[in-house]
Amino acid sequence: GQSLEQPSEVTAVEGAIVQINCTYQTSGFYGLSWYQQHDGGAPTFLSYNALDGLEETGRFSSFLSRSDSYGYLLLQELQMKDSASYFCAFNSGNTPLVFGKGTRLSVIA
Amino acid sequence: GAVVSQHPSWVICKSGTSVKIECRSLDFQATTMFWYRQFPKQSLMLMATSNEGSKATYEQGVEKDKFLINHASLTLSTLTVTSAHPEDSSFYICSARIGPEAFFGQGTRLTVV
Repeated sequence: GQSLEQPSEVTAVEGAIVQINCTYQTSGFYGLSWYQQHDGGAPTFLSYNALDGLEETGRFSSFLSRSDSYGYLLLQELQMKDSASYFCAFNSGNTPLVFGKGTRLSVIA
Repeated sequence: GAVVSQHPSWVICKSGTSVKIECRSLDFQATTMFWYRQFPKQSLMLMATSNEGSKATYEQGVEKDKFLINHASLTLSTLTVTSAHPEDSSFYICSARIGPEAFFGQGTRLTVV
């Protein structure tokens, strides 16, 4: 079957660095995506990894290891506005994205 | 980036009535759109894949006669919740993809009273 596992909740201090891990299981895999969703809002795209390694976009970075079926999202210089739910998702070609259950990040002062 | 517009953003309806939710791709054509349902503090659960010019593909456990999907053009998909019940109250959200990136509508908060 297809599944993704990520922690349900993470709390971090403003200005700190936090890493949200994601492990996945699927028979067909094209890449791993990360989405951010604030309460009451729609998910927004953060990053996508098709190849092994680190992708950096400003304060956010995402890593993928295809051999380990593992990836993570790294958020640096945390700000209060980063408090949201973060979802990892994979796609297998043109099929719908399969989302993890989400990690609720709380940034505290 | 690409824009997906969903309307209405919220709706309250009485039990037994039907509600139509529209999802439009504003600056690109989407032959395929996806409809998700999300309960509070939970993940997005795929309900169905909407295909332009053909029947939608429903996920297991989703009643196709209750959640009617029509994808009449390359920029518009609609989801109609028929004979709504309080348990249908949820956040419904549509999505279209360009390559690996998914673009989401604003979502529709449906409350059935």
